[in-house]
Amino acid sequence: GAGVSQSPSNKVTEKGKDVELRCDPISGHTALYWYRQRLGQGLEFLIYFQGNSAPDKSGLPSDRFSAERTGESVSTLTIQRTQQEDSAVYLCASSLGSSAGELFFGEGSRLTVL
Amino acid sequence: GQNIDQPTEMTATEGAIVQINCTYQTSGFNGLFWYQQHAGEAPTFLSYNVLDGLEEKGRFSSFLSRSKGYSYLLLKELQMKDSASYLCAAYSGAGSYQLTFGKGTKLSVIP
Repeated sequence: GAGVSQSPSNKVTEKGKDVELRCDPISGHTALYWYRQRLGQGLEFLIYFQGNSAPDKSGLPSDRFSAERTGESVSTLTIQRTQQEDSAVYLCASSLGSSAGELFFGEGSRLTVL
Repeated sequence: GQNIDQPTEMTATEGAIVQINCTYQTSGFNGLFWYQQHAGEAPTFLSYNVLDGLEEKGRFSSFLSRSKGYSYLLLKELQMKDSASYLCAAYSGAGSYQLTFGKGTKLSVIP
């Protein structure tokens, strides 16, 4: 497709389980971002990838959160030992390059931790 | 650090004009975005300001003052479909294009 694709769109899991969320950026976009949006809240920056540079992980809330990206393709966000406070929509966005430019967002993955 | 402030909620009447303000304090500044987000949907791009001044795009305009750390989004001829959250976001951080978002302003357009 032409846009940013995320999967799963919805995920319900039990507390303590691990989850993996996937993002397919727009082809040719070198920059990729993960954000978290809790109910009624703003977007919280998690991590930023730019090409083959070291990612900016400054927004990851704890060591239970990690993300990977191979080159300029798919990214996965992994949350280990999920907690109820991890319940949120996880949004992925991509943009063309390292200079400031428009971010294109996916529809998000809604995570519910019971 | 990064701090972006915008009003939590606003209400305006169909056909009217509304201005949504945003103030920011960031370590390094490379530009300011406005995004629109309808409930349950992904944010969509509205505008991007790098230089001081007003940028007009149809019914929507965005203003930036870098010296004051201030921006606003102006919506004219409001329509019911403009009811949404409006997110202000600033590029900040030397060497890293981290985009920091405000908490968003929920705009309700009433008949």
